[in-house]
Amino acid sequence: DAGVIQSPRHEVTEMGQEVTLRCKPISGHDYLFWYRQTMMRGLELLIYFNNNVPIDDSGMPEDRFSAKMPNASFSTLKIQPSEPRDSAVYFCASSPSGAYNEQFFGPGTRLTVL
Amino acid sequence: SQKIEQNSEALNIQEGKTATLTCNYTNYSPAYLQWYRQDPGRGPVFLLLIRENEKEKRKERLKVTFDTTLKQSLFHITASQPADSATYLCALDTGGSYIPTFGRGTSLIVHP
Repeated sequence: DAGVIQSPRHEVTEMGQEVTLRCKPISGHDYLFWYRQTMMRGLELLIYFNNNVPIDDSGMPEDRFSAKMPNASFSTLKIQPSEPRDSAVYFCASSPSGAYNEQFFGPGTRLTVL
Repeated sequence: SQKIEQNSEALNIQEGKTATLTCNYTNYSPAYLQWYRQDPGRGPVFLLLIRENEKEKRKERLKVTFDTTLKQSLFHITASQPADSATYLCALDTGGSYIPTFGRGTSLIVHP
């Protein structure tokens, strides 16, 4: 298995533009997580899905952020409109079902909003 | 307030020594605690999990302890090597859903 795949790896955009981050989880994993990592706040959970259904989006900072999971092999995180304070590394992770299971992280997308 | 605390200062040690990293938490009763390793420019990688009813878990040169009375986990790397240099994050479930919350991590630097 190729592991969790994220694209793009780097994204530079201007304030006000729409940004879409993509994730392909590991096949067979029931859980998908989106995180944001910054020096100031560490690794923050934004939203997670179970069997393609959003379970908890309380970490999504604002209405400018939205996430979808149309099928078991694809998820998107969208920021519209983007702002400089959204600059961070965004990670997608997946996990098999069952308690305690470790999360498998993708390589991350480094987002810079100018 | 509820918190997960890891040393923000980097830990510098000499090759061959044992590195010990600390994860403290308050106001939680986690069912488990996990440790991850993160290298620059990469996502975290799972290392070990320890459950609330376990005192200690080992894997090769790694050892994790879990003291639910002290609300603390210690992560040990014996015979450390420069290749062990990375940031180490602890994660524990904080709300009963088994979804982990991550600490901010501690950077370990092993000098040759």
